[in-house]
Amino acid sequence: GAGVSQSPSNKVTEKGKDVELRCDPISGHTALYWYRQSLGQGLEFLIYFQGNSAPDKSGLPSDRFSAERTGGSVSTLTIQRTQQEDSAVYLCASTSTAGMTLHFGNGTRLTVT
Amino acid sequence: AQKITQTQPGMFVQEKEAVTLDCTYDTSDPSYGLFWYKQPSSGEMIFLIYQGSYDQQNATEGRYSLNFQKARKSANLVISASQLGDSAMYFCAILNSNSGYALNFGKGTSLLVTP
Repeated sequence: GAGVSQSPSNKVTEKGKDVELRCDPISGHTALYWYRQSLGQGLEFLIYFQGNSAPDKSGLPSDRFSAERTGGSVSTLTIQRTQQEDSAVYLCASTSTAGMTLHFGNGTRLTVT
Repeated sequence: AQKITQTQPGMFVQEKEAVTLDCTYDTSDPSYGLFWYKQPSSGEMIFLIYQGSYDQQNATEGRYSLNFQKARKSANLVISASQLGDSAMYFCAILNSNSGYALNFGKGTSLLVTP
């Protein structure tokens, strides 16, 4: 079966513009996570969705960041008024049961110029 | 809050030798899980091995084993018989039950396997 799919794989945008990053989790996976990985750094947790529960947004760095998950499947991470410090690889992961092994997508590399 | 510390930013090992990547953690949860992931230059995150805090035995998966010392709060990854393809970033992570079971990752260790 298909793995976690993220699009676009690369995104270059100008400072101040909004961007949307998409994640298509593995079919049937109820839990979905967004992480951010800056150059040479570890992964920073951003947000978590589990089924129909309210998302855990505790990792979002500012109110410019938001995410939604429609129909319990595809998720979109939106960054408004992008800043240069938003440049990073944004990774999405899903799992069939919260707390079990995360399956990661290949990420979206965002560059803000 | 849970925290992972990886003190080795970079490691070298010769092909066919064994190597240990260090990981220490801090948590107040009585029950937790520890993970190791590999990230090659392609960027994908590959799950390697998992250790539950109540597991009696150290986890093993092929050439990977986890040296779990609960009292010392360490969960070192041992890679035996290193291969050139093992060159990658390695991340240790702890399950954070306070944040929707998200994983808290360390900063990683870059491993280079030399011929």
